[in-house]
Amino acid sequence: DAEITQSPRHKITETGRQVTLACHQTWNHNNMFWYRQDLGHGLRLIHYSYGVQDTNKGEVSDGYSVSRSNTEDLPLTLESAASSQTSVYFCASSAGGGLPDTQYFGPGTRLTVL
Amino acid sequence: GIQVEQSPPDLILQEGANSTLRCNFSDSVNNLQWFHQNPWGQLINLFYIPSGTKQNGRLSATTVATERYSLLYISSSQTTDSGVYFCAGREVGTASKLTFGTGTRLQVTL
Repeated sequence: DAEITQSPRHKITETGRQVTLACHQTWNHNNMFWYRQDLGHGLRLIHYSYGVQDTNKGEVSDGYSVSRSNTEDLPLTLESAASSQTSVYFCASSAGGGLPDTQYFGPGTRLTVL
Repeated sequence: GIQVEQSPPDLILQEGANSTLRCNFSDSVNNLQWFHQNPWGQLINLFYIPSGTKQNGRLSATTVATERYSLLYISSSQTTDSGVYFCAGREVGTASKLTFGTGTRLQVTL
């Protein structure tokens, strides 16, 4: 069965360190998204991609970057982790290309920045 | 950007009861979807429903796009229905980016 996976599921890091969260989907979807979920803010879009070599900023992109070198993966990098980036991070994908754009979510990564 | 308002914010039901969750949008949207986040944090897509009515078991959803709202009906609720329900929509002309509501937290008790 097609799926979307994230790793690690839990991560504790220190302020200032670079952190990369992995997202891998086997749906062969064009579109991939990164969200963060915080109490009181719901789900907020960080970055998204409509295909290989395409990346776009979402509403809370400062301090984060992504790259899309193949269809399956969209890693999210925190260049210099800050305590304000403690959150649960979700990756999602959707087909795009004019098809019904149902989004499917990964299991999430809980990141703590100390 | 659009605003997405969900009501009620919290709901407690006894097992077997029915409920209606509402989602209002500040502007025209398409690509409307409903999600359930279970107590373990997993987000599951329930419905892709830009317009009309769909049913899946005890759940059904109706979207009236011209009036910018959507409803999620849960019948004969079970404890496994507990969690947070989110609606999300795409502002017309903003390809694929969903804006999420802040959710309705549902607790189903025995």
